[in-house]
Amino acid sequence: KQEVTQIPAALSVPEGENLVLNCSFTDSAIYNLQWFRQDPGKGLTSLLLIQSSQREQTSGRLNASLDKSSGRSTLYIAASQPGDSATYLCAVRADSGSARQLTFGSGTQLTVLP
Amino acid sequence: DAGITQSPRHKVTETGTPVTLRCHQTENHRYMYWYRQDPGHGLRLIHYSYGVKDTDKGEVSDGYSVSRSKTEDFLLTLESATSSQTSVYFCAIGGQETQYFGPGTRLLVL
Repeated sequence: KQEVTQIPAALSVPEGENLVLNCSFTDSAIYNLQWFRQDPGKGLTSLLLIQSSQREQTSGRLNASLDKSSGRSTLYIAASQPGDSATYLCAVRADSGSARQLTFGSGTQLTVLP
Repeated sequence: DAGITQSPRHKVTETGTPVTLRCHQTENHRYMYWYRQDPGHGLRLIHYSYGVKDTDKGEVSDGYSVSRSKTEDFLLTLESATSSQTSVYFCAIGGQETQYFGPGTRLLVL
């Protein structure tokens, strides 16, 4: 059974810092990996999706990497801003099954202090 | 937003009563999903559907049933609500590449 772990559970940084969020998974047979953002009381917004054959994806100040063999992904946020404050969730998509089910980590709650 | 609505958005009910949550999509996606989100557990899959009248169980399906009589609607029913089913419920649509999530329903079972 796939298990996804995100460390740390919470992180507080001053504005302007570069930061890294970590995600690890136990089964390397994945189809892709996705990072989501969740604001309080809201649904999930997809940030980046990395296919199993890719090493990284970039969108603006965000960069996500994937090392499938070691079961790790990182989300790098450059020059953090208070508006980045949210919970960041990592999810891996199974490499088999008709629905290619997503397995989520429990998230990292990020606070960027002005 | 990817054209997904959930109703109700908030509900308080009593133990033992049946509850039905509705997910409606305007994107004509084949796949629809129900998740629950609890502190420390992330999102966990309850049931999913891969077409009209085609559904399957997820990781935490006990105590829940689903129905999909139209492409656009996916219903989640708690047959006899328990306090352990207090949670935030999210509907999602999508396929093998990505999923789009609804705004969630907060359910409190007293």
